[in-house]
Amino acid sequence: RKEVEQDPGPFNVPEGATVAFNCTYSNSASQSFFWYRQDCRKEPKLLMSVYSSGNEDGRFTAQLNRASQYISLLIRDSKLSDSATYLCVEPNTGGFKTIFGAGTRLFVKA
Amino acid sequence: NAGVTQTPKFQVLKTGQSMTLQCAQDMNHNSMYWYRQDPGMGLRLIYYSASEGTTDKGEVPNGYNVSRLNKREFSLRLESAAPSQTSVYFCASSRTGTYNEQFFGPGTRLTVL
Repeated sequence: RKEVEQDPGPFNVPEGATVAFNCTYSNSASQSFFWYRQDCRKEPKLLMSVYSSGNEDGRFTAQLNRASQYISLLIRDSKLSDSATYLCVEPNTGGFKTIFGAGTRLFVKA
Repeated sequence: NAGVTQTPKFQVLKTGQSMTLQCAQDMNHNSMYWYRQDPGMGLRLIYYSASEGTTDKGEVPNGYNVSRLNKREFSLRLESAAPSQTSVYFCASSRTGTYNEQFFGPGTRLTVL
């Protein structure tokens, strides 16, 4: 079983829609995660951190469910510019060995 | 500030050739990383350098070597390239420890024929 698993998608949604995707993890001791965004043929960039208390930044909300061992990312009022791959990231799983999920692809259509 | 820079952006090698990928950061970060990214798989850590003067193996170190030349520069060397090393290579840096945001370079697309 992979340490961090994501639905690869793609999720195809119209502009203005609300979309959510989850990421499951296997390390029950993990207490924080990141969501990174990666545009096509570009480098990953940090979108937001996720802690037990959750996190909200504008149209983006991230939650951590430690009982069920998953994190979620909710995007409200989707924009064309939200089209990207979203990577679920588990930091510090053993010193410096960050674990990256394979990503969920999102396409927002006009 | 340029952030993290990588050279070259693209490279095609023949099996058995060698090359060095260069990475530099201007953010005064202590930690630096080399990852490879293949279709359908997450970024996989090849090597990392927690601080200047130290390097350690990551998840997939076989076939690679690294050098932390100074605080700014961290290079990745392929001594004898193999088709299985065809991938996109990203260098990243962060303040000490992976709980800090990692900043990535633009990547090197490597094809080994």
